[in-house]
Amino acid sequence: AQSVTQLDSQVPVFEEAPVELRCNYSSSVSVYLFWYVQYPNQGLQLLLKYLSGSTLVKGINGFEAEFNKSQTSFHLRKPSVHISDTAEYFCAVRYNFNKFYFGSGTKLNVKP
Amino acid sequence: EAGVAQSPRYKIIEKRQSVAFWCNPISGHATLYWYQQILGQGPKLLIQFQNNGVVDDSQLPKDRFSAERLKGVDSTLKIQPAKLEDSAVYLCASSLDRGTGATEAFFGQGTRLTVV
Repeated sequence: AQSVTQLDSQVPVFEEAPVELRCNYSSSVSVYLFWYVQYPNQGLQLLLKYLSGSTLVKGINGFEAEFNKSQTSFHLRKPSVHISDTAEYFCAVRYNFNKFYFGSGTKLNVKP
Repeated sequence: EAGVAQSPRYKIIEKRQSVAFWCNPISGHATLYWYQQILGQGPKLLIQFQNNGVVDDSQLPKDRFSAERLKGVDSTLKIQPAKLEDSAVYLCASSLDRGTGATEAFFGQGTRLTVV
């Protein structure tokens, strides 16, 4: 079965420290990969996407992610986080041009 | 460009009552999705439309949930009768999916349903 696994449900980090949020997916011939962010009482906003080409993709707010086909991973990183980055982050995979599968989410808590 | 519009934002009903949610996708988007997001979980796809046809409704509880997409544009999701476990945020999303294939989904702000 196709699935998306976010390994950490919560990640606490101090302001200006680096952070990595992990995402693994079940292998498939064709995948499109996405990271979304959700602030309280809001819908999901796209951070970045991988469709093809360079395996390192850059998104909004200084986030980036690297597609690793051999490890079936798409980890999200930011070199220096801000208080305003506190939110929940969802990894999503679109298999074979079809529906989106979402991970269970990682709550990023940035402390001053 | 206007985003995905959903209404209402909040709804409180008693169990066994019925409720309907409305979604207007981004203009020109072919694909429309309804997701259910229970507190502490990731979004779960309920139904996916391509234009006005259903592509996937395998996780839609069809004994109580129904959805339609009128003329391939607006969509309505209905629950009748509601159960306590239906308390969740219902998210509508749309994606372009024309010509170049799969693209990202754009989400509305969601409708928070509380069943008491």
